Amino acid sequence: DTAVSQTPKYLVTQMGNDKSIKCEQNLGHDTMYWYKQDSKKFLKIMFSYNNKELIINETVPNRFSPKSPDKAHLNLHINSLELGDSAVYFCASSQKDRPMNTEAFFGQGTRLTVV
Amino acid sequence: AQTVTQSQPEMSVQEAETVTLSCTYDTSENNYYLFWYKQPPSRQMILVIRQEAYKQQNATENRFSVNFQKAAKSFSLKISDSQLGDTAMYFCAFISRYSGGYQKVTFGTGTKLQVIP
Repeated sequence: DTAVSQTPKYLVTQMGNDKSIKCEQNLGHDTMYWYKQDSKKFLKIMFSYNNKELIINETVPNRFSPKSPDKAHLNLHINSLELGDSAVYFCASSQKDRPMNTEAFFGQGTRLTVV
Repeated sequence: AQTVTQSQPEMSVQEAETVTLSCTYDTSENNYYLFWYKQPPSRQMILVIRQEAYKQQNATENRFSVNFQKAAKSFSLKISDSQLGDTAMYFCAFISRYSGGYQKVTFGTGTKLQVIP
């Protein structure tokens, strides 16, 4: 009954490859996010989607492309992986227009290692 | 734009003791919330406590409480009777809204807390 689930949990790949991380939420939320947590544990938002529409794009390289087939899914596709892409990627979801004290729910993270 | 600063990268506390994690923020907004999230080694982000900016009363959740000083833009987390399971990264988060009603979350840089037996 995981609210926000990401697959895979761990991903090791070579430079130059293309990879995807999947995210699904069963909370009925209409807004989903991708965050990147770097080696220093700093968490920064990358993208936000609402009902399959891109809302936020925080100056992320265009090698990163979010795909939202429906409002319960937001996948992250990364082309031409670089060493600097190694990080933990978190998916999250929330509901637009809920009271602001409603927290976003996070997935368990995907640790991406580029070698 | 808002910024959130956690000036203590690492802290340690003896089991059963009390520890305070600091957080300061900078914003020009009036309507916002502040959260503390906990990230244990499992990586799961867990909400610990939340504070409404318009409330002067400090939030409390069992052993966790905050000291919210709005004028000083300070939002510290106090953990009483520390337990081994409190060992984790703690993130202060500032919650506001983009135009259109979308939630915007700005995280601090985190404080790594180690509870020592």
